[in-house]
Amino acid sequence: LAKTTQPISMDSYEGQEVNITCSHNNIATNDYITWYQQFPSQGPRFIIQGYKTKVTNEVASLFIPADRKSSTLSLPRVSLSDTAVYYCLVGSYNTDKLIFGTGTRLQVFP
Amino acid sequence: DAGITQSPRHKVTETGTPVTLRCHQTENHRYMYWYRQDPGHGLRLIHYSYGVKDTDKGEVSDGYSVSRSKTEDFLLTLESATSSQTSVYFCAIRGSGTGGPDEQYFGPGTRLTVT
Repeated sequence: LAKTTQPISMDSYEGQEVNITCSHNNIATNDYITWYQQFPSQGPRFIIQGYKTKVTNEVASLFIPADRKSSTLSLPRVSLSDTAVYYCLVGSYNTDKLIFGTGTRLQVFP
Repeated sequence: DAGITQSPRHKVTETGTPVTLRCHQTENHRYMYWYRQDPGHGLRLIHYSYGVKDTDKGEVSDGYSVSRSKTEDFLLTLESATSSQTSVYFCAIRGSGTGGPDEQYFGPGTRLTVT
């Protein structure tokens, strides 16, 4: 299982772009990278998933370099409501044991 | 929201007491997971199931057992609760897909306090 490493916390201000990087040096060939967001007192919810290069949806973008040993979640123009913990994890469709890292606590200030 | 519920939502119990938490889904998903979350530790996987009667250990399985006798229910049992098991417990479900792992849907959580 690929272990992931993320910064423990990050601060930002409203309207700024935030980039959160995740390291996964032992990612397997079939593994995808998935990001989740968690608000206090709630379970995590899916944000985005990708395999290589760039993926974009209405919420975020995910950048994955060619060696796939890291990935970057990009949140454009954050707002106060983006204050949350963000987790990355790696795995494939047949990965049974999905393990979350410690996550990155993002605090957005006005 | 995915059809996943947890019961009870809150529980206070005494040390040494057995406790069972229930996770129920209406989605017929194959995978079900139990995580615990403590301040500073993120989500830690306790046990998971990949089908009826098919379960396996996660990262922090000591002191916990699970059972899945039917697709919709996944039970987590603390045989003899200890104060170190005071935590918020989340259940998650996930379907089977192709490519990346299907999205996990999380329940609302159960806050367990062991006194």
